[in-house]
Amino acid sequence: GQQLNQSPQSMFIQEGEDVSMNCTSSSIFNTWLWYKQEPGEGPVLLIALYKAGELTSNGRLTAQFGITRKDSFLNISASIPSDVGIYFCAGQNGGSQGNLIFGKGTKLSVKP
Amino acid sequence: NAGVMQNPRHLVRRRGQEARLRCSPMKGHSHVYWYRQLPEEGLKFMVYLQKENIIDESGMPKERFSAEFPKEGPSILRIQQVVRGDSAAYFCASSHYRDSLHTFGSGTRLTVV
Repeated sequence: GQQLNQSPQSMFIQEGEDVSMNCTSSSIFNTWLWYKQEPGEGPVLLIALYKAGELTSNGRLTAQFGITRKDSFLNISASIPSDVGIYFCAGQNGGSQGNLIFGKGTKLSVKP
Repeated sequence: NAGVMQNPRHLVRRRGQEARLRCSPMKGHSHVYWYRQLPEEGLKFMVYLQKENIIDESGMPKERFSAEFPKEGPSILRIQQVVRGDSAAYFCASSHYRDSLHTFGSGTRLTVV
């Protein structure tokens, strides 16, 4: 089945630093999504990408859909303590295959 | 609250009992998805349903697990004769019929003792 490799597994950074994480797949997806999950809660959508090569921003977050449709990255600029959480990438093909395939997550810790 | 509602938030069951997890989708959403999350792991797809119809159950274990989304009322994920390995967080998501953009609930944490 389709699998996503997400890296790094965890990051410990200082407040104000920039963060970068990425996801690669063995097969193509039509949509890439990035979610954030906080303890005891469900994932919350951060950014959705629909076209190969697309670069999309949401405040301090920027994500790109790779040209090959097999990868995506997420950048967070000027990190703050509330950025702490687990960030997941997810791929989706839509239609009757509307389910998401998730990476294993990147756990972000921010030191004030 | 117009979000995806899951209950209960926490559920403890003894081995061999049945677990019923409920999910009410967001208002206006007609598609429901169930996912399971083990500690330190990503979410794993289980089943995709529309009203009164299972679209894709390729992620569901073949035995003991079933799901429904009746015409009226919430979607139910049912686990019969629970075992310790069923302990996990179970998340429901819903989407509009026009797209598959998931909105997730807060999950049900099942503990089997």
